[in-house]
Amino acid sequence: AQRVTQPEKLLSVFKGAPVELKCNYSYSGSPELFWYVQYSRQRLQLLLRHISRESIKGFTADLNKGETSFHLKKPFAQEEDSAMYYCALSDYGQNFVFGPGTRLSVLP
Amino acid sequence: DAGVIQSPRHEVTEMGQEVTLRCKPISGHDYLFWYRQTMMRGLELLIYFNNNVPIDDSGMPEDRFSAKMPNASFSTLKIQPSEPRDSAVYFCASSLRGGSLLEAFFGQGTRLTVV
Repeated sequence: AQRVTQPEKLLSVFKGAPVELKCNYSYSGSPELFWYVQYSRQRLQLLLRHISRESIKGFTADLNKGETSFHLKKPFAQEEDSAMYYCALSDYGQNFVFGPGTRLSVLP
Repeated sequence: DAGVIQSPRHEVTEMGQEVTLRCKPISGHDYLFWYRQTMMRGLELLIYFNNNVPIDDSGMPEDRFSAKMPNASFSTLKIQPSEPRDSAVYFCASSLRGGSLLEAFFGQGTRLTVV
């Protein structure tokens, strides 16, 4: 069965510091991995997906199949990055499995 | 397209009352998902539909919960009778199966408070 873990419930960093939100998954096939972000009182929205290999708002994430990880990184955190971040896995159309989420707090 | 539209945005109801949450997916999307978000459990998949047919409802907590999708542009999630522990934000999402381009688009959510 698919499973997504995010070990940190809360991550606090200072503005300008690097940030890494951890995500590990378990899935027997080749999944699609996503990061979703939810800013305060807003809808959940897609931040990035592994297949596009893009950088959104300075965030990047690399799929490491050997370690079954998809950590989200940003070299210099900004206060506006404070939000809930969810790692998600899709098995190509069946459903999405979300991790429990990590609340990122960027301190001034 | 206005995206996934959910109504109401907020619902406050008394314990024992029936609650109906509504969702209009993005036109052309053939998958629809209902999620529940709580502080304790994060995002939980309740049920999802493909071409209006319920595929997996194993996440529905109990018989008090039911979901329907009478057509491609409308779905409801009903709780009857509601209980305080049902208080949560309920998200609807839709997606278009497109192989590696699959992603889910979420509505604004309905914040349900059962008192």
